[in-house]
Amino acid sequence: AQSVTQLGSHVSVSEGALVLLRCNYSSSVPPYLFWYVQYPNQGLQLLLKYTTGATLVKGINGFEAEFKKSETSFHLTKPSAHMSDAAEYFCAVSDRSNFGNEKLTFGTGTRLTIIP
Amino acid sequence: EAQVTQNPRYLITVTGKKLTVTCSQNMNHEYMSWYRQDPGLGLRQIYYSMNVEVTDKGDVPEGYKVSRKEKRNFPLILESPSPNQTSLYFCASSIFGTGGRETQYFGPGTRLLVL
Repeated sequence: AQSVTQLGSHVSVSEGALVLLRCNYSSSVPPYLFWYVQYPNQGLQLLLKYTTGATLVKGINGFEAEFKKSETSFHLTKPSAHMSDAAEYFCAVSDRSNFGNEKLTFGTGTRLTIIP
Repeated sequence: EAQVTQNPRYLITVTGKKLTVTCSQNMNHEYMSWYRQDPGLGLRQIYYSMNVEVTDKGDVPEGYKVSRKEKRNFPLILESPSPNQTSLYFCASSIFGTGGRETQYFGPGTRLLVL
């Protein structure tokens, strides 16, 4: 069974500082990997995803993530935090071999606070 | 505009009173799914559907039912709600991929309180 671990349920960074949200996964085969963002009282919005190809993936709003197979990680970064980045972020994986069910297994989320 | 809609957005009910949460998508997606979100647990899949009349259980199906009579709609039914079903529910849809690579689009969520 797959699992996702997000280190740090709460992360605070100053405006303009680097954002780093950590995600590690366990899977028998390299999975497909996703980062979603949830703003207050809203649904989940896809930030970026890794399926195949280049391991450094660029997403919306200046975020990017790098798939590191040797470390089973998919950490999310942004060079300079903006106040509008305050939200909850979810890392998710899906099973390449699970034909038919596009189920996402989610981490427990990281709430990002931006300090003015 | 491509979207997934859910109704109602907020619902307070009492134990045992049957309710239905509707989900509709306008993207002609084959795959639809329901998740519940609980603090500290992330999102967990309740049921999914690969196409019309094809549904199956996810990780936490107890106490829920679904149906898929039309491609665009995937209602979630709670026949006899209990307080442990108090949660935030999300519907999601995607085109049918080959094992989890397709982007899922999420609805805005339905916050349910069962007294």
